[in-house]
Amino acid sequence: DGGITQSPKYLFRKEGQNVTLSCEQNLNHDAMYWYRQDPGQGLRLIYYSQIVNDFQKGDIAEGYSVSREKKESFPLTVTSAQKNPTAFYLCASRTGTGPQHFGDGTRLSIL
Amino acid sequence: DAKTTQPNSMESNEEEPVHLPCNHSTISGTDYIHWYRQLPSQGPEYVIHGLTSNVNNRMASLAIAEDRKSSTLILHRATLRDAAVYYCILRDAWRGSQGNLIFGKGTKLSVKP
Repeated sequence: DGGITQSPKYLFRKEGQNVTLSCEQNLNHDAMYWYRQDPGQGLRLIYYSQIVNDFQKGDIAEGYSVSREKKESFPLTVTSAQKNPTAFYLCASRTGTGPQHFGDGTRLSIL
Repeated sequence: DAKTTQPNSMESNEEEPVHLPCNHSTISGTDYIHWYRQLPSQGPEYVIHGLTSNVNNRMASLAIAEDRKSSTLILHRATLRDAAVYYCILRDAWRGSQGNLIFGKGTKLSVKP
């Protein structure tokens, strides 16, 4: 079945550590997105990518980095510069004007 | 993209219809109305979308006001599995896959047995 796979489901970060969240899709979608969701809030855009080797900052990109070396993959790195990383992270993809498809998320916490 | 307004929460009884309202008074002529829902600890799930005419699919119906300044998502028979946060989002058709969907806080639907 086609879909989006995010891993791991739960992740813990130590102070001063970078961590990378994985997002893989087999839907052949061109565009991919990373969102952050805090408790009781809506989703906020971190980064998005329209095509391979190209990506744009969203509303809250500071402290995060991404890469898009392959169409299927859009990993997100939460750097030590992100002082409040505890949140639920969601990856999505879409093609053309179709609906966005979301993964099941990664919950990141600080140790 | 134009802004939408939804109630913070709603309650429904199981097996009864649910009407979830959304106001979008500044909608433009090329804005599609999208609905997503998010179950606890999961990513959002696409429900339905429309432009001017009412739309039906296996999950729900979308009723769009004639002036398009409001819309209603209709769940015909609520089940316990429909308890979720429902988001109403406007999306300009001309933007294609550019940019993102703007998710507000949505409406938290509770379903009572």
